[in-house]
Amino acid sequence: NAGVTQTPKFRILKIGQSMTLQCTQDMNHNYMYWYRQDPGMGLKLIYYSVGAGITDKGEVPNGYNVSRSTTEDFPLRLELAAPSQTSVYFCASSYRDRAYEQYFGPGTRLTVT
Amino acid sequence: ILNVEQSPQSLHVQEGDSTNFTCSFPSSNFYALHWYRWETAKSPEALFVMTLNGDEKKKGRISATLNTKEGYSYLYIKGSQPEDSATYLCAFAGNQFYFGTGTSLTVIP
Repeated sequence: NAGVTQTPKFRILKIGQSMTLQCTQDMNHNYMYWYRQDPGMGLKLIYYSVGAGITDKGEVPNGYNVSRSTTEDFPLRLELAAPSQTSVYFCASSYRDRAYEQYFGPGTRLTVT
Repeated sequence: ILNVEQSPQSLHVQEGDSTNFTCSFPSSNFYALHWYRWETAKSPEALFVMTLNGDEKKKGRISATLNTKEGYSYLYIKGSQPEDSATYLCAFAGNQFYFGTGTSLTVIP
């Protein structure tokens, strides 16, 4: 059981470039989440999904897009990278709804210059 | 914007001391309250999930209580050990998740 995996671990982007952060879980969890963590701030929810084909916005969705075509995968897309998107991104999953503990991936450190 | 407040922001205790932290959250639209432990260079790991007012959970030397009517949860660590050093996060689950900024605990041997 690999749990929640994220790629890449690190990435440097130039302003205006695009990229996709990959997230995969092998626990057959229905719920998946994307968070960003900025220095001195708590984890902020970007997007979440309650199952394949269903996604919804979190607290800070602007500048990001997601899709959930399978139960296992929940990629996060940055279309036009901006310096404000420099952050550490965590993907998480949970078996069912918000009353179930979340399992976090190792994170992706993204710098936009 | 929904505020989840954690206090204190950081804490240094001697090995063997007992300690506690607070998480404050809105008392409306409550669904669940989560506690996570986050060690440096690792990912957050779940400690407890509580859903009912008055819930108490315990795992070894760590325990937590929940008061949904007044909007707070306490996390207690009994007999702190150096390996307890970490940041402890709480997360309010209403319509979606809101995390606090955490309490950073350092246990001095």
